[in-house]
Amino acid sequence: AQTVTQSQPEMSVQEAETVTLSCTYDTSESDYYLFWYKQPPSRQMILVIRQEAYKQQNATENRFSVNFQKAAKSFSLKISDSQLGDAAMYFCAYRRAKGGSEKLVFGKGTKLTVNP
Amino acid sequence: NAGVTQTPKFRILKIGQSMTLQCTQDMNHNYMYWYRQDPGMGLKLIYYSVGAGITDKGEVPNGYNVSRSTTEDFPLRLELAAPSQTSVYFCASSYRPEGLAGGSYEQYFGPGTRLTVT
Repeated sequence: AQTVTQSQPEMSVQEAETVTLSCTYDTSESDYYLFWYKQPPSRQMILVIRQEAYKQQNATENRFSVNFQKAAKSFSLKISDSQLGDAAMYFCAYRRAKGGSEKLVFGKGTKLTVNP
Repeated sequence: NAGVTQTPKFRILKIGQSMTLQCTQDMNHNYMYWYRQDPGMGLKLIYYSVGAGITDKGEVPNGYNVSRSTTEDFPLRLELAAPSQTSVYFCASSYRPEGLAGGSYEQYFGPGTRLTVT
């Protein structure tokens, strides 16, 4: 079974600085997708960024980028120019590419605090 | 477009009571999901559906039932509520074209229902 591990329960960053959140995963599949979701205090799950495993290029979305290391099964999220609104729980998630439920497998999350 | 809506937002149940959590999506998505999120944990899949009339179990289905009679609605039924079912419940939906495998189709989440069983 696939597993996702986020080893940092909490992280903090100063406003305007850069922070990196870690995620590792375990799978025997070669084709899959990886996601970072943001969950603010409102509880709403918001997709931040996604990465297709077959793509070597790291995904970027404005101030958010990932460092995808397929051989190491590592998928970290970098937030640049951190803003107060970035404060939230961040979840790393994995999904198989083909077959089955297309369910997301989530890590336990990292709580990000942004200090003014 | 309302997206994915869930009712109620909050609920307190006594042990042994039953209830139905409602989920509706207006995006014509064929896939729908129910997840639960326990404190300090990520979400875990309870049940899912790939289309009207088709449902299947996820990781943690015990104590729950689902049905999918329409594309839009995917209610989750709790029978004989237990304290272990205290959690936040999320409904989600996504669209995958017929006959196409794979694809990074985004799952859209509802706002969640906080359920306490005492």
